[in-house]
Amino acid sequence: DSGVTQTPKHLITATGQRVTLRCSPRSGDLSVYWYQQSLDQGLQFLIQYYNGEERAKGNILERFSAQQFPDLHSELNLSSLELGDSALYFCASSPRLGNYEQYFGPGTRLTVT
Amino acid sequence: GESVGLHLPTLSVQEGDNSIINCAYSNSASDYFIWYKQESGKGPQFIIDIRSNMDKRQGQRVTVLLNKTVKHLSLQIAATQPGDSAVYFCAENRASGGSYIPTFGRGTSLIVHP
Repeated sequence: DSGVTQTPKHLITATGQRVTLRCSPRSGDLSVYWYQQSLDQGLQFLIQYYNGEERAKGNILERFSAQQFPDLHSELNLSSLELGDSALYFCASSPRLGNYEQYFGPGTRLTVT
Repeated sequence: GESVGLHLPTLSVQEGDNSIINCAYSNSASDYFIWYKQESGKGPQFIIDIRSNMDKRQGQRVTVLLNKTVKHLSLQIAATQPGDSAVYFCAENRASGGSYIPTFGRGTSLIVHP
C-alpha cells in the first residue's frame, strides 16, 4: 500500500458526461501528479500540483482540469467525455516539488460508453 | 515529437536468471531517469533512478545503466524471482520550472518462470 488513495475505483459513464476523480496523497506529501494510462497511449503525464498551485503540465486536454485543495487532496475533472477517454487514471504524490520518487495510488478505471 | 521507447515488449526468463530490460530515449534535454514496476491491477512502483551525470547506479538486486552517447537505459535484475513478474517502464524526466515533466516508455512485460 503506497498510502495514496483514489476514489472511485471504477467509473462507468456515457459520452458527453462529466466526472470527477479524487486523490488523497500520502500524509505530508505536498505534490500531486495525475496520469492517464491507456492501451494505445501508454502512461502519460497530465498535470502536477504542488501545495495548491499548478506546477507542470503534460498532455492534458482542455476538456480536463484539476485542482489541489488546502487539505492537499486533488481532483481531476473530465468533461464532455469521449470513448477515447476510457483509461486508467493514476494519481501519485511526492514530498517535495522536485522530488523524484513518486508514490502511485491504485488508480481509477474510467469506462466511457 | 521526442519519445521514450522499449526494445522488447515481452521478456521471459527462468527463476534465478538475470534479466535485462532495455529502453531508448530521444530527448537529450532529459536529465533524470526512473524505472518503475507495475504489477497487474496496481499503480506503478518506483524501483530505481539515475541522474544524467551518472552512468551506473545499483540498488537491491537491481542496477540501472545509462549510456548517454547512444541514449540508452537498461535495468538489470539479478537472480530474478517470480515476484519480479510485472511490466517495467522507464521514464525520462525533463526539468521544468523547478519540477520535472516525465515521459514514459510503453513498457516491457517480464515473465519469470519458476
